[in-house]
Amino acid sequence: QQQVKQSPQSLIVQKGGISIINCAYENTAFDYFPWYQQFPGKGPALLIAIRPDVSEKKEGRFTISFNKSAKQFSLHIMDSQPGDSATYFCAAYPPGNTPLVFGKGTRLSVIA
Amino acid sequence: EAQVTQNPRYLITVTGKKLTVTCSQNMNHEYMSWYRQDPGLGLRQIYYSMNVEVTDKGDVPEGYKVSRKEKRNFPLILESPSPNQTSLYFCASSFVAGGRQETQYFGPGTRLLVL
Repeated sequence: QQQVKQSPQSLIVQKGGISIINCAYENTAFDYFPWYQQFPGKGPALLIAIRPDVSEKKEGRFTISFNKSAKQFSLHIMDSQPGDSATYFCAAYPPGNTPLVFGKGTRLSVIA
Repeated sequence: EAQVTQNPRYLITVTGKKLTVTCSQNMNHEYMSWYRQDPGLGLRQIYYSMNVEVTDKGDVPEGYKVSRKEKRNFPLILESPSPNQTSLYFCASSFVAGGRQETQYFGPGTRLLVL
């Protein structure tokens, strides 16, 4: 119930291509869905986030698509660049003071 | 500069030798948390604190202790480290609004090797 399942575990994309990372959840009480980006040797940092009352949020080349009925959300990186190579974590917030739940992460490599 | 700091950044120790990893934030955040990151397992929460003197177990608390005597500090204590605690550790903090955490800010990580 409290899990967020993330796929794929790793992803290799050509420069200029679209990177897509998917997450699924069971608990319908989750009400905020952030994505974190982690570069090697650094801590994760918030990239983009969405609330379930909207189906899509775009910030530059990064877009979250949210499907409430399917209990799925995904991160799309358009025109992927080598500098996007990092590990990406999806997450979900339960209501109240229950801690944030993270997916297991996706290691993205963008090759030239 | 707003930040979460951790010390030490790297640590090699031996089984059974008590150690403390410090975490400090300068953003006046109420919420602080410790995670460990292991390949294929993602980020797993060890302990968290919603405010001073309030701490709760996360998903993997065994073998760890924490304390929250001051708002800015949240040290992680390994009383008797074992090799299975070899990992990359992250401290994080956030504001609490309406009884829940907001965006978490992570520290740079502490890489621990227990021999």
